[in-house]
Amino acid sequence: DIQMTQSPSSLSASVGDRVTITCRASHDIGNDLAWYQQKPDRAPERLIFGASRIQSALLSRFSGSGSGTDFTLTISSLQPEDFATYYCLQYKTFPRTFGQGTRVDI
Amino acid sequence: EVQLVQSGAEMKKPGESLKISCLGSGYNFHLYWIGWVRQMPGKGLEWMGIIHPGDSETRYSPSFQGHVTFSVDTSIRTAYVQWNSLRASDTAMYYCATQGGSGSIDYWGQGTLVTVSS
Repeated sequence: DIQMTQSPSSLSASVGDRVTITCRASHDIGNDLAWYQQKPDRAPERLIFGASRIQSALLSRFSGSGSGTDFTLTISSLQPEDFATYYCLQYKTFPRTFGQGTRVDI
Repeated sequence: EVQLVQSGAEMKKPGESLKISCLGSGYNFHLYWIGWVRQMPGKGLEWMGIIHPGDSETRYSPSFQGHVTFSVDTSIRTAYVQWNSLRASDTAMYYCATQGGSGSIDYWGQGTLVTVSS
């Protein structure tokens, strides 16, 4: 199985901050990586797929980069509604595997 | 609009069986894989496996193989996950989700909370 190592596990930030979350795959996954946001008591929502393809133009402050084994999710200017937990997912092979999650707090 | 609507919360005892459902609408149900994801209380997301409604091909995560069974009923656009003998450690929120053309999970159900306690 491909292991996904996400860091940090949590971070504290302020509105307007630039935030970066990283995800490292144990094997080359090309660009087959997605990022999800999950708010408390809600289902996750996809932000990014194909490592850098944004789900919606409304999410333009979110960007994804990387390929192979190292990936990054960046929030250019943190908004109040962005305080949540973020997960990466590799979909190169079965079984799919998630990172452990990064909780973004105020 | 793509929607996945899951069945309601369940409370069961260890050893009991359970089947929860996920009704898909707003897209061609037969074309896209439906996956299941577990989230234990206060923990992260775990990919359980996936089933293709067109031919019922399934892929299970080794962590769940043998303990859960996926199925679909295309006539009513519904996917299921079933346990024959629940454990307390099955207590979790379970999400169904579609796997889109890109291969990643795109749409999610609202989740079904399963509580297993004696």
